[in-house]
Amino acid sequence: NAGVTQTPKFRVLKTGQSMTLLCAQDMNHEYMYWYRQDPGMGLRLIHYSVGEGTTAKGEVPDGYNVSRLKKQNFLLGLESAAPSQTSVYFCASSYSSLAGVNEQFFGPGTRLTVL
Amino acid sequence: GNSVTQMEGPVTLSEEAFLTINCTYTATGYPSLFWYVQYPGEGLQLLLKATKADDKGSNKGFEATYRKETTSFHLEKGSVQVSDSAVYFCALSDPYNQGGKLIFGQGTELSVKP
Repeated sequence: NAGVTQTPKFRVLKTGQSMTLLCAQDMNHEYMYWYRQDPGMGLRLIHYSVGEGTTAKGEVPDGYNVSRLKKQNFLLGLESAAPSQTSVYFCASSYSSLAGVNEQFFGPGTRLTVL
Repeated sequence: GNSVTQMEGPVTLSEEAFLTINCTYTATGYPSLFWYVQYPGEGLQLLLKATKADDKGSNKGFEATYRKETTSFHLEKGSVQVSDSAVYFCALSDPYNQGGKLIFGQGTELSVKP
C-alpha cells in the first residue's frame, strides 16, 4: 500500500500561472481533504470531499478549486496563482464512520512557491 | 466556534527530560481530541487520540488525558529521545460534523538535544 501520495513534491510558479496538485489514496477512503500549512498557523482546511463527485469548502477556500471525479483521487487547482498561496499543501484521507471521527492519513506534502 | 490553542514553541529539551506540551480547546458539544506528529520533511501522522472525557490516549511513551473540566488535552512523555524531535499538533473534531473535519492548533516544535 502506498497510502496517500501527492504530485508534484515541489513547484515554483509565477504570479498568474495555473497548476493542479494531484492527491491519490489506495485505502478506499470515503473522505479526502486538502490543507495548507503556514508558519505559526498550523494546518488550515481548504476544501474537502465526503465521497466521489462531492466537494465542500473548508476554512480558506478562496483562490482554489477541487474535483473528486474518482474515489481515489482528489485534485486541487489554482487558476491564477498569487504569492499569498506560497505554502506547503497536504492532502489527507480517512474512512467514514457513524461511530465517531477517524484517523486522517496524510501525504508527504507539496511545497509551492509563487513568485 | 471551535478552536485549539497550543503552547508556543520551539521547546528545547535535553535527552531523558520530561515533556509537557499544553493544549486547550474551545468547542460546542463533545469533541474528539487528537495529537498528530510531523517529523521533518514528512506529512502528519496520528500519535494518539481520546474520544470522551477522562479518556487517556497513549502511544510510543506519550500520553494525554481528555479533561473536560479544564478543556485541556496536554501531551506528556516521561523521558524524551532525540528521535522525538518533531512538530506536534493538537486537534479536535466534533463527531457530528459532516466529513470528519479536524481543527488544528498552530503546532509546537520540539527539539531534543543529546
